[in-house]
Amino acid sequence: QQQVKQSPQSLIVQKGGISIINCAYENTAFDYFPWYQQFPGKGPALLIAIRPDVSEKKEGRFTISFNKSAKQFSLHIMDSQPGDSATYFCAASPILTGGGNKLTFGTGTQLKVEL
Amino acid sequence: DVKVTQSSRYLVKRTGEKVFLECVQDMDHENMFWYRQDPGLGLRLIYFSYDVKMKEKGDIPEGYSVSREKKERFSLILESASTNQTSMYLCASSNSEGYGNEQYFGPGTRLTVT
Repeated sequence: QQQVKQSPQSLIVQKGGISIINCAYENTAFDYFPWYQQFPGKGPALLIAIRPDVSEKKEGRFTISFNKSAKQFSLHIMDSQPGDSATYFCAASPILTGGGNKLTFGTGTQLKVEL
Repeated sequence: DVKVTQSSRYLVKRTGEKVFLECVQDMDHENMFWYRQDPGLGLRLIYFSYDVKMKEKGDIPEGYSVSREKKERFSLILESASTNQTSMYLCASSNSEGYGNEQYFGPGTRLTVT
């Protein structure tokens, strides 16, 4: 049972363009939504995260937009660069109950930024 | 600099072998996780541990077991490896203080079972 649905599976964007990756979740107990970035040969690393008390969070060229009523959130990469080429995973976690911040990941989006 | 290390980057084993994947973190984190990563399926949680000697099943625990005898070390065990366990295995750790804690990942072990 996939609780976090991510799209698209792959994405090609021209340098300087905007990359948009979307995720939707089902579990209303989720209240922490991180995005992880993974380069080839490396483990994923936290890129940016949001909590549902805000609708948007921006860090540099990366922005998360969050729509609680629609149970959707998305990652926008402005002015996309070839160095952004990587696999991106959205994730979600329920309210911490002492069980260790268990994350449910989306299926990943392979982004390629072309010159 | 935080670090999660995994014992092997590449591993080739035969069907039926017992396989040990080791993970060590140097951040004094309470929580440790094992995931497998497959194309089109993302990261799926196999097992996690929130304290020494404590473990909980994740989404796909069948065919796997784990051991956590020390806080810094979390081992994944394939009791009898099968070809459908060929995958990338990722270990991660996080602390338990606060809310929404970052998981730090190791570089992964690519396991091939022939």
